[in-house]
Amino acid sequence: EVQLVESGGGLVKPGGSLRLSCAASGFTFSGHVMNWVRQAPGRGLEWVSSISGDSTYIYYIDSVKGRFTISRDNARSSVYLQMNDLRAEDTAMYYCASTVTWGQGTLVTVSS
Amino acid sequence: IQMTQSPSSLSASVGDRVTITCQASQDIRNRLNWYQHKPGKAPRYLIYDASTLETGVPSRFSGSGSGTDFTFTISSLQPEDVATYYCQQFDYVPRTFGQGTKVEIK
Repeated sequence: EVQLVESGGGLVKPGGSLRLSCAASGFTFSGHVMNWVRQAPGRGLEWVSSISGDSTYIYYIDSVKGRFTISRDNARSSVYLQMNDLRAEDTAMYYCASTVTWGQGTLVTVSS
Repeated sequence: IQMTQSPSSLSASVGDRVTITCQASQDIRNRLNWYQHKPGKAPRYLIYDASTLETGVPSRFSGSGSGTDFTFTISSLQPEDVATYYCQQFDYVPRTFGQGTKVEIK
């Protein structure tokens, strides 16, 4: 079964850090671009970051540049999102997405 | 790239034809996906490359267009189609989504 499972979300204070993980199964992970997409409460979907299969190409939305870092480990079929200097506006459900499927999401709440 | 999706919501009867449009602020060729998102669930790919149906997606769903103007159609609305639908361009960074269309049953 093609599957993505996110983990690592939680409650964090402004300025804090979290590392999200996404474990893939059921498809050739190294051959796929991986993305992180978020949905703030009551809002639509917002693309956050992408990484190519060999990690050559990495992109971010402007609002997270310098604070978030995407990476992947093809041997572990996993992609990560290191989030530093978190702000209230980063509060959202974070989804891992490939070109074949999406995960169920992991909730990040930034609040004092 | 701005993606203007309309309408933001609609209410239609079972069996009705439903159409959603998505307009890009510049030419994105056919680099457009459509997704279905139900509350509490993972978003689901429906259509990629503007008009190609994802495997397993019912044939009542379809997409068309290229360049800047795109259309998504449900030919005969079913109760299980209640969801929010999004377009997303992947020709440019950032990979922008439309604002979403919430589809309800009348």
